[in-house]
Amino acid sequence: AQSVAQPEDQVNVAEGNPLTVKCTYSVSGNPYLFWYVQYPNRGLQFLLKYITGDNLVKGSYGFEAEFNKSQTSFHLKKPSALVSDSALYFCAVRLSSGAGSYQLTFGKGTKLSVIP
Amino acid sequence: NAGVTQTPKFRILKIGQSMTLQCTQDMNHNYMYWYRQDPGMGLKLIYYSVGAGITDKGEVPNGYNVSRSTTEDFPLRLELAAPSQTSVYFCASSPTGSAGELFFGEGSRLTVL
Repeated sequence: AQSVAQPEDQVNVAEGNPLTVKCTYSVSGNPYLFWYVQYPNRGLQFLLKYITGDNLVKGSYGFEAEFNKSQTSFHLKKPSALVSDSALYFCAVRLSSGAGSYQLTFGKGTKLSVIP
Repeated sequence: NAGVTQTPKFRILKIGQSMTLQCTQDMNHNYMYWYRQDPGMGLKLIYYSVGAGITDKGEVPNGYNVSRSTTEDFPLRLELAAPSQTSVYFCASSPTGSAGELFFGEGSRLTVL
């Protein structure tokens, strides 16, 4: 079975400071990893994904994430936080092949608050 | 381009009633999904479909049914609604292949009283 852990329910950061939202995963095989963002009363929006290749992936709105296979982590980062980044962030994993590749498993989410 | 459209956005049901949440997508995606989101619990997969005529159970299928007669539509039916089904329901679609990201609808908030 595959699983995702987001160890922090909430992250607070001052505007202009760097931010990190943590994610670790567990799968029996090669993972595809995703980050999504959810604004209040909206659906989830895709931010970025790791499929293969460079461990540092860049996505929308200046976000990036680093895949670390040895630590089974995929932390989301941004060099300078904006108040408009305040939202709920979800990490997700699926297998790259096999029956489990149809199912995307989500973490519980981390609420990011950027303080002006 | 509408993307993934869900109806209704809000609904209140009484215990034991039934209803169908509608989902349609105009991106010609083969994969479609239904998730439920409960506070602090993330998203749980209810059912998914890899193409017209093919559906399969996810993590939390009990109390729900789905059908996929066309590529565009993937309705979710709740039979005999229970308070435990109070949740926000999201429909999503993705292109063929596990590398494809999901496109989500705006959600349907269901309350069972």
